Amino acid sequence: QKEVEQNSGPLSVPEGAIASLNCTYSDRGSQSFFWYRQYSGKSPELIMFIYSNGDKEDGRFTAQLNKASQYVSLLIRDSQPSDSATYLCAVLSGTYKYIFGTGTRLKVLA
Amino acid sequence: DAGVIQSPRHEVTEMGQEVTLRCKPISGHNSLFWYRQTMMRGLELLIYFNNNVPIDDSGMPEDRFSAKMPNASFSTLKIQPSEPRDSAVYFCASSLVAGGPNEQYFGPGTRLTVT
Repeated sequence: QKEVEQNSGPLSVPEGAIASLNCTYSDRGSQSFFWYRQYSGKSPELIMFIYSNGDKEDGRFTAQLNKASQYVSLLIRDSQPSDSATYLCAVLSGTYKYIFGTGTRLKVLA
Repeated sequence: DAGVIQSPRHEVTEMGQEVTLRCKPISGHNSLFWYRQTMMRGLELLIYFNNNVPIDDSGMPEDRFSAKMPNASFSTLKIQPSEPRDSAVYFCASSLVAGGPNEQYFGPGTRLTVT
């Protein structure tokens, strides 16, 4: 069973701090990795994807990928209360099958 | 564009009843996914359609679940008979093509409660 593991949290950070969310995956052959944000009672929305080892930055968000260690992380700089949500890590297995982690709940304290 | 449309948004039914969930993907998208989300198991892929054809139904939990996509703009997920353990949020998602950088757009979900 191919798995994606995330700490369920909650991860609490003060407003303005950096939030660091981590994810590990079991399928060493995976090539594509995604971070989704899901507000309570809402549907997931894609915020970033990454394919290559290293960092990818988009505004306040930075995704980091280390294929050798099989982990993906998401950094949120200058965290805002509006960033409070559950963050889902997803790994593409094959050409269409997204394997999702159970998510990390982030709370940004004003 | 209206996005992915799902109906109903909430469904409460009694054990043993038939439940039908509906989905209208974004126009022009040729990939459609049905997911189930629970606290314990997270978001799980139930079935994937490409160009209206079921490609992978290995995630369908048992024969009580069935899905159809009669045309490019409509899909159904049916549970018959329903059981309390089917209670979950069911999402439909569509994308231009499957995989890669092609974003999956999720519908608002149907919250199913089976009593």
